Amino acid sequence: GQNIDQPTEMTATEGAIVQINCTYQTSGFNGLFWYQQHAGEAPTFLSYNVLDGLEEKGRFSSFLSRSKGYSYLLLKELQMKDSASYLCAVTKSNYQLIWGAGTKLIIKP
Amino acid sequence: KAGVTQTPRYLIKTRGQQVTLSCSPISGHRSVSWYQQTPGQGLQFLFEYFSETQRNKGNFPGRFSGRQFSNSRSEMNVSTLELGDSALYLCASSLASPLAGETQYFGPGTRLLVL
Repeated sequence: GQNIDQPTEMTATEGAIVQINCTYQTSGFNGLFWYQQHAGEAPTFLSYNVLDGLEEKGRFSSFLSRSKGYSYLLLKELQMKDSASYLCAVTKSNYQLIWGAGTKLIIKP
Repeated sequence: KAGVTQTPRYLIKTRGQQVTLSCSPISGHRSVSWYQQTPGQGLQFLFEYFSETQRNKGNFPGRFSGRQFSNSRSEMNVSTLELGDSALYLCASSLASPLAGETQYFGPGTRLLVL
């Protein structure tokens, strides 16, 4: 199948760290996107991972394990403005881009 | 550089009608993709256009169609609207190849309500 699985909703506290997981089918896998989407707004690009390992961009990091079909987005020093949906999307060798349903992240003070 | 623009932003239609949505990509971007977004379903890929040709298509019925003009602007059309077509329709542009990992830049979307 082509399922991409993400938790539907997560809650975290301001200042803390949260990890949002994404699992996918490994066949034909090329790379994996993470996008952020605030309520009522368009998605915006966060990262694109092709190789195994962790890529850090400020407070946000994205990890990929190609063999395990697994990625996570790590958000540190959470701020209220990080409340949003986080979308995982996979590019495949058959020229497909498949999106997960997104994880709604709620930040509490 | 201006971002991706979509018109109209909001639409209310009745079942059986048809609708045309418009998208202007970022200047210089030649790839335009269309998505349908509904609560709990995430982004569902409709189609992608590049240089006026449909390059990729998702699993939507033939009532959903699109086209791209020589200036890269794109339109999508939905005929014989159904209640289930109520959704946010997002357009995204990229330089040439989002499916090869290029960043897509999304427009604000058109929110369609079918009554």
